[in-house]
Amino acid sequence: DIQMTQSPSSLSASVGDTVTITCRASQGIGNYLAWYQQKPGKIPKLLISLVSTLQSGVPSRFSGSRAGTDFRLIISSLQPEDVATYYCQKHGTAPHPFGQGTKLEI
Amino acid sequence: EVQVVESGGGLVQPGRSLRLSCTASGFSFGDYAVGWFRQAPGKGLEWVGFITSRGHGATTEYAASLRGRVFISREDSNRIAYLQMNSLKIEDTAVYHCAAPYSYDSGITAWGQGTLVTVSS
Repeated sequence: DIQMTQSPSSLSASVGDTVTITCRASQGIGNYLAWYQQKPGKIPKLLISLVSTLQSGVPSRFSGSRAGTDFRLIISSLQPEDVATYYCQKHGTAPHPFGQGTKLEI
Repeated sequence: EVQVVESGGGLVQPGRSLRLSCTASGFSFGDYAVGWFRQAPGKGLEWVGFITSRGHGATTEYAASLRGRVFISREDSNRIAYLQMNSLKIEDTAVYHCAAPYSYDSGITAWGQGTLVTVSS
C-alpha cells in the first residue's frame, strides 16, 4: 500500500517566519495530495487539495507545491493562530492514507 | 448547510463487534460517497475507508490494515452510512469520524465531530 511520510514530526517557529512541511509518497500519486490543519480539540480543516488549490477562506500565506513524489506545505508570515497539527493525505483512487502529522508550535 | 453526525460509540470488550452510524443532511446523500476515519487518543488521523454512491456501485475501499474486520454500508432512504467493526482490538480505541459528502477527487470538507469507541476488558 502507498505510504505517506511526513516530516518533521514537530516544528517550532516564530511569528513572521516561513515554515515548510514535507510529505513524501512511497510511489507516484500524481497531484492527488491534500493538506489539513487540525487545532487542538477540533476536527480537521481542509486547507489545500490537488497539491496547490487553496480552499475558500484559507489565507494566502498557505501554499502547496510538488516535486515528483515530494509535496510541500509552505506557511509564510506565520501567525499565532497557525498553531496546529498539519496532515497530508493522498486522495484520488484508494487508498487515502494520511501522513503522521506535523505539530507546529510558535 | 451540511451536517454530519456519528453515533453508536461506547465501551466494548475485545473480540466483540460494534456498528457505528453516520447520518448526514444538507446535500443529496444518495449521490455521494461516504468515508470513515479514526483518531486514537493523542495520535494522528487514520483513514478507515469509504463507500461510493449507489450510482457508482456502492463500492467499498478499506485501509489494508483493517480489511476483513471492517465493513461500510449505506441506507440511502434514511441518509445513513454504517461502519461495522468486528473482532475489536484494544488498538481500535479511537474517535471515529464520518465524512460526507466524501470527495476523493478534492479532499474532505465535511466531517462529523466523531464518536468515541473504547475497547477494553
